Amino acid sequence: RKEVEQDPGPFNVPEGATVAFNCTYSNSASQSFFWYRQDCRKEPKLLMSVYSSGNEDGRFTAQLNRASQYISLLIRDSKLSDSATYLCVVNGNSNSGYALNFGKGTSLLVTP
Amino acid sequence: EADIYQTPRYLVIGTGKKITLECSQTMGHDKMYWYQQDPGMELHLIHYSYGVNSTEKGDLSSESTVSRIRTEHFPLTLESARPSHTSQYLCASSEGLGMYEQYFGPGTRLTVT
Repeated sequence: RKEVEQDPGPFNVPEGATVAFNCTYSNSASQSFFWYRQDCRKEPKLLMSVYSSGNEDGRFTAQLNRASQYISLLIRDSKLSDSATYLCVVNGNSNSGYALNFGKGTSLLVTP
Repeated sequence: EADIYQTPRYLVIGTGKKITLECSQTMGHDKMYWYQQDPGMELHLIHYSYGVNSTEKGDLSSESTVSRIRTEHFPLTLESARPSHTSQYLCASSEGLGMYEQYFGPGTRLTVT
């Protein structure tokens, strides 16, 4: 079983739409959760950390459900510039130096 | 912008050649990482380092080796490149473990013919 599982998409949505991505993780001991964004043929960049109580950053809202080992990202009022791949990321265990485990990513295409 | 650099950005090389992928960061981070990413696939950790003279293998088995002689420098070496090594290699660094953001370099896209 993979450490982090995501629906790969692609999600094709019109500008202004609201879109939600989901992610599940396998290690119940994980403590740190993130969403990264990766543009085509570019390096990943941190979009936002995910906190237990849920958090919001402008049009982006992240939620964490530890009991279900489930993370979500909601994007409101989608912009063309939101088109990218969104990576769900969970910290690993001591065997990997607590390095991050990346999901395969969910591809989003926002159309005019 | 993150201050982490990788060279070369693109490399096409023949089978059997020795190559070194360079990674440098100017943020003073102790923790550094190498990931491998194939097109459309997830990143896989191949090496990491806690600091100078510390290197460990990651989850994905790799024939590459790394060294950490200086805090800012974390090069990756392939002694004898093979077509199966064709991939994108991403270097990253972070201030600490787990909860800290990882900053990525732009990557090296390696093609072995």
